[in-house]
Amino acid sequence: KQEVTQIPAALSVPEGENLVLNCSFTDSAIYNLQWFRQDPGKGLTSLLLIQSSQREQTSGRLNASLDKSSGRSTLYIAASQPGDSATYLCAVPYNQGGKLIFGQGTELSVKP
Amino acid sequence: DTEVTQTPKHLVMGMTNKKSLKCEQHMGHRAMYWYKQKAKKPPELMFVYSYEKLSINESVPSRFSPECPNSSLLNLHLHALQPEDSALYLCASSQVWGLAGGSSTDTQYFGPGTRLTVL
Repeated sequence: KQEVTQIPAALSVPEGENLVLNCSFTDSAIYNLQWFRQDPGKGLTSLLLIQSSQREQTSGRLNASLDKSSGRSTLYIAASQPGDSATYLCAVPYNQGGKLIFGQGTELSVKP
Repeated sequence: DTEVTQTPKHLVMGMTNKKSLKCEQHMGHRAMYWYKQKAKKPPELMFVYSYEKLSINESVPSRFSPECPNSSLLNLHLHALQPEDSALYLCASSQVWGLAGGSSTDTQYFGPGTRLTVL
């Protein structure tokens, strides 16, 4: 059974700091891994999707890496800004279907 | 345009009411999803429609009734709900149900959600 874990549950950093969010999964036979951002009371915004054949994906100040063998993914945020404050969720598909297994999320707070 | 819209944004209803949530996308996606999210928890899948047909029902109580009238529209009909059904209801879509092996096809796009309160 696939389980997805995100540590820490909450993180507070000063503005301008580079930071790393962690996501781990128990079954390394994943097809892809998706990172989302969720603002309080809002929907999820897709940030990056990494296919199993890829090692990393970049979008602006965001860089997501994937290491299937160790069951880990990281989301690197460069030069953090207060506007980056949100909950970040990672998710992997269940088997070959589209049902997503989510981690519990990391609540990020970037202080001015 | 990668937008999924949901109406209403907020809904308050009594346990005897009947109401509906609406979701719309114009990206040509053929898979649409309903998720339920409680506070401080990740979303939980409720239903999946693929090509306007119900593909997945995650053992959701019958007081929730989904409907997909066409490829762009997804409804969730609510009847005789319980206070514990209060949550954020999220709609999502993707190009297809199942994994096609491309970032553009596998990515799920979410709407802003409907905040439901059952009194």
